[in-house]
Order: sequence, then C-alpha cells, then structure tokens
Amino acid sequence: GEDVEQSLFLSVREGDSSVINCTYTDSSSTYLYWYKQEPGAGLQLLTYIFSNMDMKQDQRLTVLLNKKDKHLSLRIADTQTGDSAIYFCAESSSGGSNYKLTFGKGTLLTVNP
Amino acid sequence: DAGVIQSPRHEVTEMGQEVTLRCKPISGHNSLFWYRQTMMRGLELLIYFNNNVPIDDSGMPEDRFSAKMPNASFSTLKIQPSEPRDSAVYFCASTLGVNQPQHFGDGTRLSIL
Repeated sequence: GEDVEQSLFLSVREGDSSVINCTYTDSSSTYLYWYKQEPGAGLQLLTYIFSNMDMKQDQRLTVLLNKKDKHLSLRIADTQTGDSAIYFCAESSSGGSNYKLTFGKGTLLTVNP
Repeated sequence: DAGVIQSPRHEVTEMGQEVTLRCKPISGHNSLFWYRQTMMRGLELLIYFNNNVPIDDSGMPEDRFSAKMPNASFSTLKIQPSEPRDSAVYFCASTLGVNQPQHFGDGTRLSIL
C-alpha cells in the first residue's frame, strides 16, 4: 500500500530557510500536497504540485519534486514565528482510489526567535 | 467564502453515550470526507461520500460508527455507544472532485470519559 514518510521534528531560527522533506511510495501518484496545521485548528492547504512538474513556487514557499526518487520537499524562505506548526505531506492515490489522500505523520516545525 | 464548518468544536461525554458530529461542506463541493486524527495513528480516512452517496466506508472502525449525508450541505458522523478509545479529533473535508485539493474544517475534539 501507499506510505508517506516525514521526519518528525525541525527547528530553525527566525529568518532562516526551513526545508521539510517527504518520501512516498506510490510512483503513480498524480498530485502531492502540503498542508499546515496550527494548534487546535484543521489542516490548511498550503500548496500542491502535479506529478509532471519538478518545482512550484508560491511567494515564500518552494516545492521540489524528484519523481525518480519519490522525494518531495517544502522550502519556506525567511521563516517566521508564525510558521511554527505541523506540516503534512500527502499524496493522492492512483486508479480507482484517486479520491484518497495518504498523509505522512507530520513534521513539527519550531521557529526560534 | 465560508469554509468547511464543523460542530461542535469540543465534545466531552461519558462512555456509552451517543455522540453526533456535524459537518457543512463548502457550497458546490460534491465530495465529503470524514477523518480521525490521533497521535498514534495520524490521520485516518473513515468514510468518503460523492454526490451524497457513501463510496468508501472501509475506514469506519466498527459498527458503532455510522455516517450519513442526507443532502449536499450536511453530513453527520455518529458513534453509538461511545468508548474512551474513540477520543480523537474528527475532521470533515470537502472537495470539488477527484484530484482536487481537500479543504478541511477545524475539527471536533472528542473526549470520551
């Protein structure tokens, strides 16, 4: 079955760049997503990338996709304390289950002043 | 635009009681999902509706759990009887269709004593 792996913790200083990494197993995934979850809140969609793209940039966010290695990363430039949250990587399933998202366990990003 | 609306935000009840969680999806979205989030298991898909019809309920833990979607703007998830191991955060999400991003509500934090 599909599996998505992420490191559990990342700590950075304010103003530095953060890079959150994710690996997945379903080589036929069509879309890959990044969600942000703040304490007590739901998952907020940050960005997503279609599997035939290598990179997507949206303001301070850059997503890189290495389809050969099944590796996805999210770079946050000029990280702020408000970026402290849990970040989830998710892949969409293929074929008849393409409505399903498989989520990683999440990476807790801590931004230190 | 209003996002996915869930109620209640918090629910504390004694084991054996019936619990009903409610969700209003984003207007125009034809797919709705119920998820459960726990520290141990992360995010688990419980059930998926498309055009108000349950398509995949393979994630529903047991017969104590049931979900309905009587119309395009309302869904319920019911647990009867509730047990302490049902304590979790329950999320509802909706989307325009397959391979479209899922948008999450803020969740219901359920505690069964």
